[in-house]
Amino acid sequence: QVQHVQSGAEVKQPGASVNVSCQASGYTFTSYAVHWVRQAPGQRLEWMGWISIANDKRKYSDKFQGRLTMTRDISARTVYMELSSLRSEDTAVYYCARGGGGLWGWGQGTRVTVSS
Amino acid sequence: EIVLTQSPGTLSLSPGETATLSCRASQDVSSSYLAWYQQKAGQAPRLLLYGASSRATGIPDRFSGSGSGTDFTLTISRLEPEDFAVYYCHQYRTSPQTFGQGTKVEIK
Repeated sequence: QVQHVQSGAEVKQPGASVNVSCQASGYTFTSYAVHWVRQAPGQRLEWMGWISIANDKRKYSDKFQGRLTMTRDISARTVYMELSSLRSEDTAVYYCARGGGGLWGWGQGTRVTVSS
Repeated sequence: EIVLTQSPGTLSLSPGETATLSCRASQDVSSSYLAWYQQKAGQAPRLLLYGASSRATGIPDRFSGSGSGTDFTLTISRLEPEDFAVYYCHQYRTSPQTFGQGTKVEIK
């Protein structure tokens, strides 16, 4: 079945960058896009963007333009999400999931804490 | 940006009852681009329905969805103990994709 395994929790200082990895299994990796969604404490889910594995096309939410970068390593079946210039409001659990009519096989989440 | 508003905020029901959850969109999202998820405490969301009414792999048929345009409904028949959770709707018709604020289904 569609599965994603993410890297572990991170604690970062304001202004730093964080890089979260997401390894996919259970589907033809190059046939889909992988999305990133975050959930801040007590807040609704927030879509961040997607990366198409086949052609490396990306679509980011305007909210994160300039701070968000998604990359992929096809041989490793892994997608990476880097968020820079972190601030306290970026404290959240970050999830990856496969697209294709809804979001399938969510990763377990990576908790990112931004604190000085 | 399409805003999704879910109601009620909390639904208190007993096992065996039927839950009816609503999701209203600020603009037309068609029926093809609306999904529902279940999230239990401390866990990642799980896809239940996509295209408003198509069940994801392994989802029991007590979960059903309907609606089109701006009004959508998730119905959970014969609530099981494992169904008590938070449910989110999600539109993926336009960017940015957006989620509702969630409906908590709790044990009465």
